[in-house]
Amino acid sequence: SQQGEEDPQALSIQEGENATMNCSYKTSINNLQWYRQNSGRGLVHLILIRSNEREKHSGRLRVTLDTSKKSSSLLITASRAADTASYFCATGQGGSEKLVFGKGTKLTVNP
Amino acid sequence: GAGVSQTPSNKVTEKGKYVELRCDPISGHTALYWYRQSLGQGPEFLIYFQGTGAADDSGLPNDRFFAVRPEGSVSTLKIQRTERGDSAVYLCASSPTRAGKETQYFGPGTRLLVL
Repeated sequence: SQQGEEDPQALSIQEGENATMNCSYKTSINNLQWYRQNSGRGLVHLILIRSNEREKHSGRLRVTLDTSKKSSSLLITASRAADTASYFCATGQGGSEKLVFGKGTKLTVNP
Repeated sequence: GAGVSQTPSNKVTEKGKYVELRCDPISGHTALYWYRQSLGQGPEFLIYFQGTGAADDSGLPNDRFFAVRPEGSVSTLKIQRTERGDSAVYLCASSPTRAGKETQYFGPGTRLLVL
């Protein structure tokens, strides 16, 4: 079963705009990771935020984590057409070694 | 360096047949995972290896699915008596140590179609 729920399911924006995607989860976590997937194939790791962190940056990406609300957000600033992809959040939980993924947000950046 | 590789890229088989999917993890990574992704869904965990042993196989849907990693590097996911519902992209990932705490690096996946 999938724990994370991304919101929105789909997002369409113009190049240069910012894109914000949200993720909610249900149980306590060790960390939360965001991945990108192009054309339904391999996932590319974007950023990992640990449960004791609140915000993390990587280039044009900004991730926040609110463990009290069991939610995270991914912000992509100054979006580019090449950012068009599906974005998934995944949680690492307790003593489990697996990642639990949400259903993803499909982002379309129009040139 | 080389990433995770998976073969074949695509596999078409008939219902009832046996298939093997191969995963070559990043060299030196001790942890290896298999996930399955159906259309429009996120990946779902199947099995996790730490070294040669399957440390967690709780995600395998039934006893038609089996995976091995005999020498602690390459892994093979085996599906017996395939069913149309097994059609999905099978993803392999590896990480240097224990997961849930480290980034998992994914391969390109094998797209399985059962006719």
